[in-house]
Amino acid sequence: SQTIHQWPATLVQPVGSPLSLECTVEGTSNPNLYWYRQAAGRGLQLLFYSVGIGQISSEVPQNLSASRPQDRQFILSSKKLLLSDSGFYLCAWSTYRDSPLHFGNGTRLTVT
Amino acid sequence: AQRVTQPEKLLSVFKGAPVELKCNYSYSGSPELFWYVQYSRQRLQLLLRHISRESIKGFTADLNKGETSFHLKKPFAQEEDSAMYYCALSGTQGGSEKLVFGKGTKLTVNP
Repeated sequence: SQTIHQWPATLVQPVGSPLSLECTVEGTSNPNLYWYRQAAGRGLQLLFYSVGIGQISSEVPQNLSASRPQDRQFILSSKKLLLSDSGFYLCAWSTYRDSPLHFGNGTRLTVT
Repeated sequence: AQRVTQPEKLLSVFKGAPVELKCNYSYSGSPELFWYVQYSRQRLQLLLRHISRESIKGFTADLNKGETSFHLKKPFAQEEDSAMYYCALSGTQGGSEKLVFGKGTKLTVNP
């Protein structure tokens, strides 16, 4: 069966520090991968999605970047965190574009 | 632990018929509940949240704490309502806020 792992679960980082959140999927190949963020009081916002290795689409301009170095690995990064980067980050995968999304457990990021 | 259950993977109704997408949750505190929708070839988007008590696109959802449910309802389904619907719960676990999704229900509205 397929599983999705996302870590860390919580993270507190100072402003200006780098960020790396990792997401891996097991039990499937060539998944579509997504990074979402929920900021306080708002709905989910799609940040990045990827349909294959090295293929990243950015949905909103921001301080973050994403990479997909391997088929089932999706990394969310920042060189210098801002206070506004605080939020709840969710990784998700789907088999193809219109298939159900499967979500990771999320990472609560607090930038201080 | 926080848990969201959407018991129906697939739901098919005819246009004009009432529709109810079920969502049950498990949470010991005071939850905040949402319905998200993903139309074909579009991104996931927020449909409604229980604290707003609003009706969006004819859909409503009432939080029933006694039954721990947050079912999504619409009296007359339209073909354009066909989509994937996800119920989500926001709560605090281990001192940290967390958003948990159900597995989704695919709604098909037939002409």
